[in-house]
Amino acid sequence: QVELVESGGGVVQPARSLRLSCAASGFTFSSFGMHWVRQAPGKGLEWVAVISYDGSNVDYGDSVKGRFVISRDNSKDTLYLQMTSLRPEDTAIYYCAKDPGPYGTYAFDVWGQGTMVTVSS
Amino acid sequence: EIVLTQSPGTLSLSPGERVTLSCRASHHVNNNYLAWYNQKPGQAPRLLIFAASTRATGIPDRFSAYGSGTDFTLTINRLEPEDFAVYYCHQYGSSPRTFGQGTKLEIK
Repeated sequence: QVELVESGGGVVQPARSLRLSCAASGFTFSSFGMHWVRQAPGKGLEWVAVISYDGSNVDYGDSVKGRFVISRDNSKDTLYLQMTSLRPEDTAIYYCAKDPGPYGTYAFDVWGQGTMVTVSS
Repeated sequence: EIVLTQSPGTLSLSPGERVTLSCRASHHVNNNYLAWYNQKPGQAPRLLIFAASTRATGIPDRFSAYGSGTDFTLTINRLEPEDFAVYYCHQYGSSPRTFGQGTKLEIK
């Protein structure tokens, strides 16, 4: 079945970096756009970033632009989120989510279970 | 950025009842690219509706949604115990994609 499994979360100090991974299975990963979405503790959902099926097109939410980089390795069926200059307000559960189209222009039809990132000194 | 405002914030209802949730956008949602998700505690969100009114795969027909432009609604007929959750609307017609703040549907 279609599955997304995030990893790489943890506790990190402000201004440090962290890389999240999302392993995909059960579908042709290289054919679909992918997203990262986050949720601060007890809060709502915030879209973070999108990448097209081949990695040629990316886009970011304003709060992470210039600090986070989304990428993918289609040979490994894995999505990444490189987070730098982390701030306490980046503390959240980070979900990867699949787009039903190749360019990441639709709603999120499959979600992972999330990985928790805590930014604290 | 399109701001989505959901109402009400919280609803207390009983199984078997019917409920309508509202999502209002600050600007026109392109192509009516408006989705609805629900989320239970400790779980990831689940896609219910996309393109304003199309049910996602496996979503029962007691869920229906309508709307266009800036006003959208989600109706759930005959509430089941598993329907009690937080509901989010989401616009993906323009960047940045945005979500509403959520409506919590709780058991009375």
